Amino acid sequence: QKEVEQNSGPLSVPEGAIASLNCTYSDRGSQSFFWYRQYSGKSPELIMSIYSNGDKEDGRFTAQLNKASQYVSLLIRDSQPSDSATYLCAVSNTGNQFYFGTGTSLTVIP
Amino acid sequence: EAGVTQFPSHSVIEKGQTVTLRCDPISGHDNLYWYRRVMGKEIKFLLHFVKESKQDESGMPNNRFLAERTGGTYSTLKVQPAELEDSGVYFCASSQVWDGPLHFGNGTRLTVT
Repeated sequence: QKEVEQNSGPLSVPEGAIASLNCTYSDRGSQSFFWYRQYSGKSPELIMSIYSNGDKEDGRFTAQLNKASQYVSLLIRDSQPSDSATYLCAVSNTGNQFYFGTGTSLTVIP
Repeated sequence: EAGVTQFPSHSVIEKGQTVTLRCDPISGHDNLYWYRRVMGKEIKFLLHFVKESKQDESGMPNNRFLAERTGGTYSTLKVQPAELEDSGVYFCASSQVWDGPLHFGNGTRLTVT
């Protein structure tokens, strides 16, 4: 069983729609959760971090964490073509190791 | 603030040769990580430095890989001798605090032929 699971996609949404990205993790001791965006050939770029249950909003992005169900999600409102990228979920329990999912490819169709 | 920089961006070497990758973290970031992504797989942890000390190197594949961070500034990752399965993108990341968000470099794409 992988530490972090993501649907690989591709996920396609029309411009202006809400994109919903999901991630599940196996270690119940995980404490820190991150979403990264990676454009092709570029480095992963931090979008959101979340540490406690509930929702965290930053602009068009909302991260949701449910530790009891061991999932974390990312919602992107009013999706733009520039949001087209691979989104990586990362989870940490100790700070030594961050476990990554394989990423979900998102395409926003103009 | 300068980001994490990695050199070289690409390296193509033959099996059995040696390659050294370099990473310069963000200034003031004590935590430095090496990660690797093999094609089609997830980004996987290799090791973690806190300043010049190796905090966790459990992700290093074998003794052909050697990482150093002399003086607690930049880090090098040496692969000697390289094997075909070592091909992938090697990312360096740094963070200011333990368990804090990682800031990634652009990676070094290593191809072993």
